[in-house]
Amino acid sequence: NAGVMQNPRHLVRRRGQEARLRCSPMKGHSHVYWYRQLPEEGLKFMVYLQKENIIDESGMPKERFSAEFPKEGPSILRIQQVVRGDSAAYFCASSPLRAGGTKNIQYFGAGTRLSVL
Amino acid sequence: GDSVTQMEGPVTLSEEAFLTINCTYTATGYPSLFWYVQYPGEGLQLLLKATKADDKGSNKGFEATYRKETTSFHLEKGSVQVSDSAVYFCALSGMDSSYKLIFGSGTRLLVRP
Repeated sequence: NAGVMQNPRHLVRRRGQEARLRCSPMKGHSHVYWYRQLPEEGLKFMVYLQKENIIDESGMPKERFSAEFPKEGPSILRIQQVVRGDSAAYFCASSPLRAGGTKNIQYFGAGTRLSVL
Repeated sequence: GDSVTQMEGPVTLSEEAFLTINCTYTATGYPSLFWYVQYPGEGLQLLLKATKADDKGSNKGFEATYRKETTSFHLEKGSVQVSDSAVYFCALSGMDSSYKLIFGSGTRLLVRP
């Protein structure tokens, strides 16, 4: 059973370009979570999605950031008009059911490291 | 709001030394507590977890005890190996929006042969 797959592993963009980060959850998992890790900081929750639905996007910046998890295909985190402050590692996690407590834990991918020049 | 504070790294130890990485938390009620480990180039892996006060999580020789009175969840290992070199993250899942993991900033451990 393959783990959570994220691609690309490394992404370089110039200011003003768009970044698309992909996350394929583990087989059988329909719940996806995105986290961002700024340099020297812990991971911060961004958004929680279930197939075709955004459940909680309270951690997403209000502008330029969007996320989707279509019925078919991977979850996509999209950053429009990137700025240097968007440089970070973006991690995706998945769970078979809604995560909470010590049941239905989140399984993490290896992350995408975004560098904005 | 809920938060996690863990000791800054890097922590450098010789093989077979005793390891402690401190973690304290602030949360309402009874959060669930976790330690995740990130090996170089890989994603975060759950190392151990605990649900309630006095629970002890353990895995691969690592242990952590949920201490409600001191709001702590310190990670310990009696004898570290070079292969334990990694970044360790303490995290909690709160009573509200329990799907949100709240992480500490991570502690890098380097074990020398």
